[in-house]
Amino acid sequence: KNEVEQSPQNLTAQEGEFITINCSYSVGISALHWLQQHPGGGIVSLFMLSSGKKKHGRLIATINIQEKHSSLHITASHPRDSAVYICALPRSVGSQGNLIFGKGTKLSVKP
Amino acid sequence: DAGVTQSPTHLIKTRGQQVTLRCSPKSGHDTVSWYQQALGQGPQFIFQYYEEEERQRGNFPDRFSGHQFPNYSSELNVNALLLGDSALYLCASSFLVDPGLPMLGYTFGSGTRLTVV
Repeated sequence: KNEVEQSPQNLTAQEGEFITINCSYSVGISALHWLQQHPGGGIVSLFMLSSGKKKHGRLIATINIQEKHSSLHITASHPRDSAVYICALPRSVGSQGNLIFGKGTKLSVKP
Repeated sequence: DAGVTQSPTHLIKTRGQQVTLRCSPKSGHDTVSWYQQALGQGPQFIFQYYEEEERQRGNFPDRFSGHQFPNYSSELNVNALLLGDSALYLCASSFLVDPGLPMLGYTFGSGTRLTVV
């Protein structure tokens, strides 16, 4: 079993739809990252959260430390949201810079 | 305020050659981590530099080495290049408060695309 599991792997939505991407993990963590990567491009850090909920524009991230689960929501999705969304977390508490990554969720938003 | 800058953006090298990739961290950041992302795969941690020393290392051979300078910028060196070293190399910078605490402001660069032929 992978340490970080994301679902779904692929997601196609119509513009305006509400999107949810899920991340489950098996290691103990202090913080979880949600990242965005466009094809062939670098990675943009969307959120780092260790509890509760964070919101930035149309993006919302939640985390439940007890259940070892996090979700990324996109409200009113737009074609420019099309990208791969990745959750990542430190391999251990003492190695905060050594991130392990989920396989990513490829989101395609159709106009 | 510039974010993390990496150079070059693209690079083509021949098998057996050596390559140096560069990373300038975001202003105020003191820690640099390097990742290798093969096509279609998630990034894999190579190593992390803090206070000019390698602080953590992933499962990469000694052909991969690095350096951090007093201004916190960093280099990744790969010797004796193999075809399998072709990948996107990502640098991320952050601010280390305490080894046991989440790193602050984790920010990725756009990467260097290395092709080994």
